Amino acid sequence: EDKVVQSPLSLVVHEGDTVTLNCSYEVTNFRSLLWYKQEKKAPTFLFMLTSSGIEKKSGRLSSILDKKELSSILNITATQTGDSAIYLCAVGNNNDMRFGAGTRLTVKP
Amino acid sequence: EPEVTQTPSHQVTQMGQEVILRCVPISNHLYFYWYRQILGQKVEFLVSFYNNEISEKSEIFDDQFSVERPDGSNFTLKIRSTKLEDSAMYFCASSRDTYEQYFGPGTRLTVT
Repeated sequence: EDKVVQSPLSLVVHEGDTVTLNCSYEVTNFRSLLWYKQEKKAPTFLFMLTSSGIEKKSGRLSSILDKKELSSILNITATQTGDSAIYLCAVGNNNDMRFGAGTRLTVKP
Repeated sequence: EPEVTQTPSHQVTQMGQEVILRCVPISNHLYFYWYRQILGQKVEFLVSFYNNEISEKSEIFDDQFSVERPDGSNFTLKIRSTKLEDSAMYFCASSRDTYEQYFGPGTRLTVT
């Protein structure tokens, strides 16, 4: 059965800390891994990863995929209170996308 | 910047009633999806739609559910006879190809 597992489920840090969120997957016909940030409502797109070992970067956020280990990490450096959200990992095969349960990140001032 | 829109933002209905949730995907996108998120739980895939037909559906998407693209812009999800456990946030998403999906703001469905 396809599954996407994220860890930790919950994380509390202080502003300025660096965090690493993990996502591991077992999915048939893997095509891509996506990271989303979910605050109040809809997930907003962060990154899409299809190739192993190539880091995607956007400001203080970066992510990398390891297809051999069937996993990905999302790094956030110099965290801010505005980074507080649920971070969702989703893995796409040919036709659908399977989400992990998310990591709830709380950044305290 | 183009975005996916959904209406209504909140729908309250009685058990057994039919509901139609509406979505307007991004205009040059070809793939459309519905997801749901029960309060406090993970986002779950319901169905994907391409070229006017369902390309994939999950075990949640049973005979009570249907999707339609009635015209060139709308994409709808119909639940024929709602149950209490259908209460959730329903997200529509669209993508140009089968990779990046952009989500709408969601419709909160409350079944009483």
